[in-house]
Parts: sequence; structure tokens; C-alpha cells
Amino acid sequence: AQSVTQLDSQVPVFEEAPVELRCNYSSSVSVYLFWYVQYPNQGLQLLLKYLSGSTLVKGINGFEAEFNKSQTSFHLRKPSVHISDTAEYFCAVSENAGNMLTFGGGTRLMVKP
Amino acid sequence: DAGVIQSPRHEVTEMGQEVTLRCKPISGHNSLFWYRQTMMRGLELLIYFNNNVPIDDSGMPEDRFSAKMPNASFSTLKIQPSEPRDSAVYFCASSKQVGYSNQPQHFGDGTRLSIL
Repeated sequence: AQSVTQLDSQVPVFEEAPVELRCNYSSSVSVYLFWYVQYPNQGLQLLLKYLSGSTLVKGINGFEAEFNKSQTSFHLRKPSVHISDTAEYFCAVSENAGNMLTFGGGTRLMVKP
Repeated sequence: DAGVIQSPRHEVTEMGQEVTLRCKPISGHNSLFWYRQTMMRGLELLIYFNNNVPIDDSGMPEDRFSAKMPNASFSTLKIQPSEPRDSAVYFCASSKQVGYSNQPQHFGDGTRLSIL
């Protein structure tokens, strides 16, 4: 069975500072990895995905993530955050034979002026 | 393009009443998912349809919950009878499944359900 761990439930950061949101997964097979963002009172929106190929994936809003198979990690990064990045971020994993996602518990990013 | 459409956006009802949540997936998507989000348990997959057929309903909490997908453009999640612990935000998501590919899921804005 697959599982996803987001180590930080909350990450406070000042505007224009860099940020890294951590995600580790466990699975016995090859996986596909996703990061979603949830703004208040809205559904989840896809930020980026890793399906195959280059391990560095670029997404929307200046975010990127790096797939590290040996460390079973898929950390999300942004070099300079904005107030508007304040939201909840979810890491998710899907195994290669289906379309079901397993989500991590989420990380609340709080960007302060 | 229209995204996943859920209705109602908010529902407040008394314990014991029947609740029906509705979802219209993105046109052309053949997979549909119902999730429940709570502070305590996070985001949980309740049930998953592919080509209108339920594939995995292991996340449905109990017999009070049922879901249907009578056609490719409509799904319902029903709770009967409802209980206060069912209070949560319920999300519907859809994606296009092609073979074994994993296309991203697109989420609706959710239904915030409060059972008094």
C-alpha cells in the first residue's frame, strides 16, 4: 500500500524568502507524484506532476519539485514566495496501474509581510 | 472550459435527514472521484468510478453512504440518515483515464455540509 507523509503541518515564511515543503512517500511499485494547492473555500488545483523523465519538474506560479527515488521524496520549492501563495499544499501519489490518489496530510504555507 | 461543478456549495440540515450532493464532471473525463475533507482525517477518498462503474468504494464509511453515476455527466453522493459526524467538505474530482496513464484529477469547489 502506498502512503504519503508531509512532515510539516505549517510553514511560516516571510514574503520574498525561499520555501521548501517536504513530501516523502512509500510504495512498492513505480509511482506518479503530484502537488496540489488549496486556497480557502476552494477545491484543489494542480501545481505540478511527475510522471516520468526529468526528475526536476516545473509547475505553475513559479513552483518546482524534485523527484528523488533513492530518498522517496518529492519536495516542493519556490525561490521567492508572495503573500498570494498563502494556502494549503497537498502532496499526492498514484501507483502505475490506476488513477487513484493517496494524499498527504497537507502543509499550510503562511506567507508574512 | 467549465470545470467540475458541484452543488450545493453549502448545505445545513438536521440530523436524520437525507442529504444528496451532486457533481457534474468535466466533459470527456471518464473517471470520477468523491472525497471527504475534515480537520481530523484530512482528505479521504470515498469512492471512485471509471466509465460510470464503481471501481473502489472501500472508503465509503458505512451503509448510510451511497453513490451513483447514472451517466457520464452526473454523479450523486447520498447520506441517509445523516449524522453530525458527517459534517465535512465533500469534493468531487474527475480525470481522463487512458489505459494505464495517470492524468491529473480536476477538483470542484466542494460542498460544505453541516449536520446539526
